[in-house]
Amino acid sequence: GAGVSQSPRYKVAKRGQDVALRCDPISGHVSLFWYQQALGQGPEFLTYFQNEAQLDKSGLPSDRFFAERPEGSVSTLKIQRTQQEDSAVYLCASSLIGGETGELFFGEGSRLTVL
Amino acid sequence: AQSVTQPDIHITVSEGASLELRCNYSYGATPYLFWYVQSPGQGLQLLLKYFSGDTLVQGIKGFEAEFKRSQSSFNLRKPSVHWSDAAEYFCAVKQYGNKLVFGAGTILRVKS
Repeated sequence: GAGVSQSPRYKVAKRGQDVALRCDPISGHVSLFWYQQALGQGPEFLTYFQNEAQLDKSGLPSDRFFAERPEGSVSTLKIQRTQQEDSAVYLCASSLIGGETGELFFGEGSRLTVL
Repeated sequence: AQSVTQPDIHITVSEGASLELRCNYSYGATPYLFWYVQSPGQGLQLLLKYFSGDTLVQGIKGFEAEFKRSQSSFNLRKPSVHWSDAAEYFCAVKQYGNKLVFGAGTILRVKS
């Protein structure tokens, strides 16, 4: 597609519910990143894929967070047993080659509100 | 660990006036530095980046930034602001493993 596409754009979940956020990167982009942006803050790194391999998941805040990219294109970020502190905008970004130039192309984000 | 500080949470400038957004970083080696802009309802867009070489870098939309190693700064400038520049601006530094570490952002308001 023309850009990075994320869905849903908005999600309201009850505390304890599981959610899944989808990212469709730019076609052909090797690298894919997930960031979490809390209100009034800058994005914070969650995890990074190169093709289907998850090379870095050091930013995932707890074992309730899980990300996958099984075929090296679309990625899903899953949050189990959501808590209020999970409320944030989840940003997906993709990069053509390894992300080394830092030229990430961001999606519009998925805003998660946990009640 | 690397960090980025943007001292100004909000800045208001008049349309046509010049703009400078401050960014300070903490990093041991020569940093890879970036400025992104986020407009409401839109994704982050890369304005410019610095890797090495000329310390004054030009970006899109008439923005430029100057890398000053002695001050650990990478301030963003624009000589004449347009109303469409109102947005939130983020400075970032590349960390190991291709991660970007972002500052907290500066919200720019433009007065007509």
